[in-house]
Amino acid sequence: DADVTQTPRNRITKTGKRIMLECSQTKGHDRMYWYRQDPGLGLRLIYYSFDVKDINKGEISDGYSVSRQAQAKFSLSLESAIPNQTALYFCATSDLAMGLAGVKQYFGPGTRLTVT
Amino acid sequence: GQQLNQSPQSMFIQEGEDVSMNCTSSSIFNTWLWYKQDPGEGPVLLIALYKAGELTSNGRLTAQFGITRKDSFLNISASIPSDVGIYFCAGQITNAGGTSYGKLTFGQGTILTVHP
Repeated sequence: DADVTQTPRNRITKTGKRIMLECSQTKGHDRMYWYRQDPGLGLRLIYYSFDVKDINKGEISDGYSVSRQAQAKFSLSLESAIPNQTALYFCATSDLAMGLAGVKQYFGPGTRLTVT
Repeated sequence: GQQLNQSPQSMFIQEGEDVSMNCTSSSIFNTWLWYKQDPGEGPVLLIALYKAGELTSNGRLTAQFGITRKDSFLNISASIPSDVGIYFCAGQITNAGGTSYGKLTFGQGTILTVHP
């Protein structure tokens, strides 16, 4: 089984709808992240969480919110979806270990979201 | 904010050829990471570099951490069809003890196509 899972894998929604993307991990990592990927722009950080009580805005948080329900679960919400939020969304995790082990991030398979 | 410029944007090569790509930054990073993304999948970590001047190999892949800490290079030797994908560099800031602050800054990606 995959260590980092995302649901749904694909979603088409209409402008103005609320949508939630979910991420679960079995790696036992404390840190979780949400990224957005657009062609030619790489991955950009939306929100990140270093533990259940810690939520931080990333580079492009406007129009998004997150919830860290448990160590293993981190969800991303679009309160009122708009077409320019059409993108690939990735969840990632990393360890809170001291030293270099905490550097590496492990990604889920992604959710392809289309807002019409 | 920090930006990474990755080049080339795309490459079309014949099977068996060597490949070189690089990433430059306007800021100093303490850690450089190289990821590969297969179609329909999330990025997978290939190589992590932790010290300026470091040269690290992973099979046919070799990556180097530039001595200015503002650039990194990835080479693939004797390319094969399964090398096809998008290659991303990512930089990260860590503290003096090597503990990650968690946030990765990604390059725009290099799309690699290998013709049999």
